[in-house]
Amino acid sequence: KAGVTQTPRYLIKTRGQQVTLSCSPISGHRSVSWYQQTPGQGLQFLFEYFSETQRNKGNFPGRFSGRQFSNSRSEMNVSTLELGDSALYLCASSEVRDGTDTQYFGPGTRLTVL
Amino acid sequence: QQQVKQSPQSLIVQKGGISIINCAYENTAFDYFPWYQQFPGKGPALLIAIRPDVSEKKEGRFTISFNKSAKQFSLHIMDSQPGDSATYFCAATDHRNKLVFGAGTILRVKS
Repeated sequence: KAGVTQTPRYLIKTRGQQVTLSCSPISGHRSVSWYQQTPGQGLQFLFEYFSETQRNKGNFPGRFSGRQFSNSRSEMNVSTLELGDSALYLCASSEVRDGTDTQYFGPGTRLTVL
Repeated sequence: QQQVKQSPQSLIVQKGGISIINCAYENTAFDYFPWYQQFPGKGPALLIAIRPDVSEKKEGRFTISFNKSAKQFSLHIMDSQPGDSATYFCAATDHRNKLVFGAGTILRVKS
């Protein structure tokens, strides 16, 4: 099976702009989660979508939002970008394995905010 | 609140040696503990995972040891190779698909 794909891989924006990132999960996976990775804060959970519904949410401001489509593809949006939003944004799709959702990550989208 | 503490921050091991990375957690609701390996420019890749009903799990050169009473778990990489040089993350979840990650350990294996 093809892995998780994320587009675009690199993105440069300026403060105040908004951005949309896209994620295509592994075929058959219905859950998609998003994480932010920065050198200072490490890997932090943003939110999870399952069957087009947000199932879990992390501690990020409302500027960060997401959605999932009927084909399980997901997008996340960040509005009014701040310098601190510069990060690697990772998407993970999951399947139930050994009774637990096992998450598989994509390569990420590197967002730079100038 | 850092719920998963990982150490050391960085580690240098000779080729053929054993690499050991430790993690401790606070939330007793956690019931699934995966380890991820990340190379520069790539996303984290699942390495091995354990549930708290077992004390050890081995897959090839990688072993997880789990101590439920101490709320600690560790990754052992036997016969470490230069190709193992990467950043390793421990993680934990309470079955809600929300992974809580440790801060990461940068492993360098010297040839």
